[in-house]
Amino acid sequence: NAGVTQTPKFQVLKTGQSMTLQCAQDMNHEYMSWYRQDPGMGLRLIHYSVGAGITDQGEVPNGYNVSRSTTEDFPLRLLSAAPSQTSVYFCASSPNTRTAYYTFGSGTRLTVV
Amino acid sequence: AQSVAQPEDQVKVAEGNPLTVKCTYSVSGNPYLFWYVQYPNRGLQFLLKYITGDNLVKGSYGFEAEFNKSQTSFHLKKPSALVSDSALYFCAVRDPMDSSYKLIFGSGTRLLVRP
Repeated sequence: NAGVTQTPKFQVLKTGQSMTLQCAQDMNHEYMSWYRQDPGMGLRLIHYSVGAGITDQGEVPNGYNVSRSTTEDFPLRLLSAAPSQTSVYFCASSPNTRTAYYTFGSGTRLTVV
Repeated sequence: AQSVAQPEDQVKVAEGNPLTVKCTYSVSGNPYLFWYVQYPNRGLQFLLKYITGDNLVKGSYGFEAEFNKSQTSFHLKKPSALVSDSALYFCAVRDPMDSSYKLIFGSGTRLLVRP
């Protein structure tokens, strides 16, 4: 089925560990982005990409790294996990920057202990 | 600063009654406006959006929203609520002049529909 696929669905990390959250879309979307969802705060943009090889920071980029080597994949790396990064992470894609339509993945629930 | 406000953390209605979930925004210019719904342990599902045109927008599952520019509001409505509508609802705004193309989300409103 076409859509945005996120893996893993759940993850527990120890403080200081690193990991990569995977996001893949098979819709040939140019625009991809990562959000985090925290209780009572809605979703906030971490990083985004307007095409392969192009990434930029969003509102809350500290502690996260991204790359976009292909159109399909947009992994999010936590360099050294902290308890403040406990959150639910969503990947979203859009056909291009002119289209106001976003498809969201089902999320990754991350707990840092 | 750009922001979206959903003033009610929770809305409770009885099945069959009309429902309204409120949203106001603070974005300059002519923003794009969205409503998304989130069911437990699921991602966000698109309900409807307003870009331009008719102020009343119809969306999925019988939901609609009315854009009011003077009041900077975009309230979500449904004439007759179903128990299955119980979920977390997010209002979001995009500033078409923002080069990050990001969505600015409200804090969410939990809708509970009683049988």
